[in-house]
Amino acid sequence: QVQLVESGGGVVQPGRSLRLSCAASGFTFSSYGIHWVRQAPGKGLEWVAVISYDGSTDYYADSVKGRFTISRDTSKNKVSLQMDSLRLEDTALYYCTKESEAKVGFAYDVWGHGTMVTVSS
Amino acid sequence: EIVLTQSPATLSLSPGERATLSCRASQSFSGSLAWYQQKPGQAPRLLISDTSNRATGIPARFRGSGSGTVFTLTITSAEPEDSAVYYCQQRANWPPGATFGPGTKVVL
Repeated sequence: QVQLVESGGGVVQPGRSLRLSCAASGFTFSSYGIHWVRQAPGKGLEWVAVISYDGSTDYYADSVKGRFTISRDTSKNKVSLQMDSLRLEDTALYYCTKESEAKVGFAYDVWGHGTMVTVSS
Repeated sequence: EIVLTQSPATLSLSPGERATLSCRASQSFSGSLAWYQQKPGQAPRLLISDTSNRATGIPARFRGSGSGTVFTLTITSAEPEDSAVYYCQQRANWPPGATFGPGTKVVL
């Protein structure tokens, strides 16, 4: 079945780095844009980053621009989120999610279970 | 940057009642609006895409409507399992990022 599985979360000190992964299966990976969305404890959803279906375009929320980098490896059906210079306010459950339509979809029809990132000294 | 506002923040109703959730955008946009349901400890679930298209497997009691800057999610006859937080989400042609509303908590 269509599935996204995140990994790589953990506890990290402010200023350090962490790399999240999202493993995709059950669909034509190279046809869909993939996004990261996060949710701080007890808070709402915040969009973080997107990489287009072909990897040609990436885009970031202002809150993470210059610190986070999204990439994709089509040979492994995997998307990564490199998070550098982490801040306390980056503490959240990070979801990867798939666009609902091939090439350009405006909604998210499949979500992973999330991976927790805690930034704490 | 488009800002989404949702109202009410919390909606309490009884089973069988009609629920009307509102999502207002700070400006019109060329793109699409979607609705998600999130229950405690679970990932969000897509309910509605493109303002009014129900996602696969979503019961007919969930209806989306609206245009311009005002959008609505209606639960025509709420059931106990509809207790959840509901988020609207906007995405435009460009920039390719997305915006979520703050959510409406529905309590049955």
